[in-house]
Amino acid sequence: GAVVSQHPSRVICKSGTSVKIECRSLDFQATTMFWYRQFPKQSLMLMATSNEGSKATYEQGVEKDKFLINHASLTLSTLTVTSAHPEDSSFYICSASLRFGGLHNSPLHFGNGTRLTVT
Amino acid sequence: AQSVAQPEDQVNVAEGNPLTVKCTYSVSGNPYLFWYVQYPNRGLQFLLKYITGDNLVKGSYGFEAEFNKSQTSFHLKKPSALVSDSALYFCAVRDMSKGDMRFGAGTRLTVKP
Repeated sequence: GAVVSQHPSRVICKSGTSVKIECRSLDFQATTMFWYRQFPKQSLMLMATSNEGSKATYEQGVEKDKFLINHASLTLSTLTVTSAHPEDSSFYICSASLRFGGLHNSPLHFGNGTRLTVT
Repeated sequence: AQSVAQPEDQVNVAEGNPLTVKCTYSVSGNPYLFWYVQYPNRGLQFLLKYITGDNLVKGSYGFEAEFNKSQTSFHLKKPSALVSDSALYFCAVRDMSKGDMRFGAGTRLTVKP
């Protein structure tokens, strides 16, 4: 089945530094990738939608300059948390989809998530 | 807008007993409904989906879900729970305009031996 690889699984960084999280689709071409954030004991909240070769679409309230998303190829999307602060500490999960138009009944495939801790 | 709700934060069952995790939906048009499971510090694993057809959907690990249009529900069920089923379960609906999944708040299932 479709596999999505997310790296790193866990990262600890100092306040003010930037962290890059990678999301790769291993056996399919993902024209669309979604980035979610999950707070402890809460549900997943969509942060942004990333389409290969175009700018990401951010959800309301998500700072695009803080959470930089790049989807340069059909198998890789990256999320960079810039100038991280302790309140950015969270669990970040990516998911990937084939081109949405004809596959709206397909499940999204999720990476294993990245636990970010900013000290 | 597409949305789902999970009315229970926590469900506790004894091993070997049947389990039900509840989900209701609110969608315009035909619903595309999914169940996912999440283990600690892990991503989400797909369990099953309802798109159309038979109202009883069978999925992974012995789980099944029943789509009920009149009650706008999509409850997850398993005839005999295992301790290893203990995890966080999310009901979700696919947003037809953006393509992303909209999740319920999640239900923590605890199966006690």
